[in-house]
Amino acid sequence: GDSVTQMEGPVTLSEEAFLTINCTYTATGYPSLFWYVQYPGEGLQLLLKATKADDKGSNKGFEATYRKETTSFHLEKGSVQVSDSAVYFCAPGSSASKIIFGSGTRLSIRP
Amino acid sequence: DVKVTQSSRYLVKRTGEKVFLECVQDMDHENMFWYRQDPGLGLRLIYFSYDVKMKEKGDIPEGYSVSREKKERFSLILESASTNQTSMYLCASSNPRGPDTEAFFGQGTRLTVV
Repeated sequence: GDSVTQMEGPVTLSEEAFLTINCTYTATGYPSLFWYVQYPGEGLQLLLKATKADDKGSNKGFEATYRKETTSFHLEKGSVQVSDSAVYFCAPGSSASKIIFGSGTRLSIRP
Repeated sequence: DVKVTQSSRYLVKRTGEKVFLECVQDMDHENMFWYRQDPGLGLRLIYFSYDVKMKEKGDIPEGYSVSREKKERFSLILESASTNQTSMYLCASSNPRGPDTEAFFGQGTRLTVV
């Protein structure tokens, strides 16, 4: 069945460091791909998305590119801030309209 | 703005009680979901509904049931609450037909069973 493998956390970085969180998936067909973010005490919210191969989603300085050949959707940010501390979830949509979530990566940014 | 509203932020129930978690969405979405979130386990799908009165089991349906009598409302029912159901419960909705198929989440209900 459909599945997603996400880089395990926690990840701790200093402010202004470069961030990569890896995500690979298996899915039937070519689903839309999503990254969600969960700030402390809140529900999940969509961070960015890509709907077809080679699309790049971007928001708040974060980027991820839909790589069909490697079935990956890695999240990157060039210079992280303390306010980026949160849990990040990679999520491919599936053929059954369900959305499968990775295990989440907790990110902590030191001032 | 899409709104998904869960009836409670925090809930404390006793073992053996029947518990209802309510979720309402205001965007006419066809799909609705219930997940539970536990440390180290990410989000696990409990049940999924793709239409009124239609439901499908997710990965961990044991001990839970759901009800969807109206399109906007999706209820999760713990038939006889147990301590291992202490968790954060997240409701979500989505429109399966494009272009925007992402899920929108409620704020979560933190349930403690004592």
